[in-house]
Amino acid sequence: DTGVSQDPRHKITKRGQNVTFRCDPISEHNRLYWYRQTLGQGPEFLTYFQNEAQLEKSRLLSDRFSAERPKGSFSTLEIQRTEQGDSAMYLCASIPLQGTTEAFFGQGTRLTVV
Amino acid sequence: AQKVTQAQTEISVVEKEDVTLDCVYETRDTTYYLFWYKQPPSGELVFLIRRNSFDEQNEISGRYSWNFQKSTSSFNFTITASQVVDSAVYFCALLSNTGNQFYFGTGTSLTVIP
Repeated sequence: DTGVSQDPRHKITKRGQNVTFRCDPISEHNRLYWYRQTLGQGPEFLTYFQNEAQLEKSRLLSDRFSAERPKGSFSTLEIQRTEQGDSAMYLCASIPLQGTTEAFFGQGTRLTVV
Repeated sequence: AQKVTQAQTEISVVEKEDVTLDCVYETRDTTYYLFWYKQPPSGELVFLIRRNSFDEQNEISGRYSWNFQKSTSSFNFTITASQVVDSAVYFCALLSNTGNQFYFGTGTSLTVIP
């Protein structure tokens, strides 16, 4: 599979629990993005990695959110002490550092906090 | 400041009609990329097209065509002979020169009525 892969596809969690999502970008894509999308809205930027370096971080990313990209390959997004307002679709995308031709998003992880 | 505006929130057309989705963008960058994505009810963002700021040629792909005009900062998307399967939310997005984030419009929900 050469696309962006996200896991899990769906996650239901109780308020206050921690959750972690994983994104496997397209092989050799240096740039990786995390976005959040709530119902009826457009995707909102969360954070950006170039290789293993986190270069950009949205103010939306409160201290309960943390993202990593060890070794510049896959990335994880962790939400601690989840709140109902965290319920959303979390999307990951990757593109190459040079020659931006296409930008593919994964199928997303839909988080429901109950 | 970077911004993408999709003024049309919802559009309904009857099958086989042509429909144009508008996208207006703002950026101070001289190099940038514009994208269109389709989001069906399943939630994934499906890549449709990318345009860089130096390429103003219009593009046609089957029933889809795109009109990029730098003079009006617009990147409009036309579906010819619409089909029910075209029903989805369509997003226009701008990737800045630095590549640090995608800026999405609020999306246009298209309903094609059989």
